[in-house]
Amino acid sequence: QLQLQESGPGLVKPSETLSLTCTVSGGSISSSSYYWGWIRQPPGKGLEWIGSIYYSGSTYYNPSLKSRVTISVDTSKNQFSLRLNSAADTAVYYCASFFFGPGRRYYFDSWGQGTLVTVSS
Amino acid sequence: DIQMTQSPSSLSASVGDRVTITCRASQSISRYLNWYQQKVGKAPKLLIYAASSLQSGVPSRFSGSGSGTDFTLTISSLQPEDFATYYCQQSDSIPSVTFGGGTKVEIK
Repeated sequence: QLQLQESGPGLVKPSETLSLTCTVSGGSISSSSYYWGWIRQPPGKGLEWIGSIYYSGSTYYNPSLKSRVTISVDTSKNQFSLRLNSAADTAVYYCASFFFGPGRRYYFDSWGQGTLVTVSS
Repeated sequence: DIQMTQSPSSLSASVGDRVTITCRASQSISRYLNWYQQKVGKAPKLLIYAASSLQSGVPSRFSGSGSGTDFTLTISSLQPEDFATYYCQQSDSIPSVTFGGGTKVEIK
């Protein structure tokens, strides 16, 4: 079972860049069966997929956030990271592993505990 | 982009009730539909994948059905630990995915 842990500042000023890192343990981020994703949840609201990355570095972003988001991977550290420019969105940010396998098995199977990032001056 | 619409957004039910939540996709997604349960302050947990396959360790009172654009999650006999928010998520366009807006199941 994979374990994921988010880390990064809990407070970001408006218009600055939000940066988070997810450390993966219990497995390799270079696995061919996984994408690695970021999902956020404003307080009291629903889940929003931000984007995902494959160990090769291929990235996929939510069209509504694409102009502001960069996701990167560091296979040597078993980590992937999120940068969100022009921060304006207080939310809990989750990192998660997205498994894709035979039999329509395409789902997020392990999640970090989530980290609250507050955007405030 | 594929949009996912859940209904109702919230419901009140009693222990032992049968509960049904629906999820509709804006276009056909075959059976690429997952259901998650989220309790307050916790990360979501996978319940059902591929529309009707029960994730290992999930109680059999949870079931899923549907294909194309219309899907349902059913809890056959609601238990106290089932009070939570439930989300559907489409995997037809992976690695891009979309979540539904959520359905909060509350105690009547």
